[in-house]
Amino acid sequence: AQSVTQLDSQVPVFEEAPVELRCNYSSSVSVYLFWYVQYPNQGLQLLLKYLSGSTLVESINGFEAEFNKSQTSFHLRKPSVHISDTAEYFCAVSDHGTSYGKLTFGQGTILTVHP
Amino acid sequence: GAVVSQHPSRVICKSGTSVKIECRSLDFQATTMFWYRQFPKQSLMLMATSNEGSKATYEQGVEKDKFLINHASLTLSTLTVTSAHPEDSSFYICSARDQRGGRGYEQYFGPGTRLTVT
Repeated sequence: AQSVTQLDSQVPVFEEAPVELRCNYSSSVSVYLFWYVQYPNQGLQLLLKYLSGSTLVESINGFEAEFNKSQTSFHLRKPSVHISDTAEYFCAVSDHGTSYGKLTFGQGTILTVHP
Repeated sequence: GAVVSQHPSRVICKSGTSVKIECRSLDFQATTMFWYRQFPKQSLMLMATSNEGSKATYEQGVEKDKFLINHASLTLSTLTVTSAHPEDSSFYICSARDQRGGRGYEQYFGPGTRLTVT
């Protein structure tokens, strides 16, 4: 069984400030890790993923996340946020096993960027 | 890209009626699709895994006779909420697993269906 904990339910931040959204997971097996973003009344969009290789992964819009196996974390960071980054962000894990890639989601973090 | 559509985007129905939601993978074939529900200000909860040509696998606590899933083709899965009640009102989201080119663990999500039962 796996679980995902997003430590902050809401993160308010001013435009151009840095932000970190925290994610910790628990699993007895190796996992794949994902961050998804959800805009109001929309489905989820994949932001970035860690499958293997380099532990630092980046998205095309400036977000990055680092897989830390010893701390079982996959925190999401951006050095300078924009108003358009306001959304809800979900961390998710999927195990390497035979569960057809089932995702377990965290509770979500609402990022609000203020002007 | 990998695009998943859902229809309808919103539906309002009366208590006791049934509602069908469609989930389509538009530019890829998906042997596996997933159905989630999301309550306001909460995370996504997996309801069931839909496999083309076989019975769906339901998560614990999800009534399979109430939430009927049919995955009749490689691009279409349907979720039918039977005898809907107000407590079934929720945001239902599907996803499809894109297994092309070694991307087997990526899921692409539909835009969701807002169901309101009056």
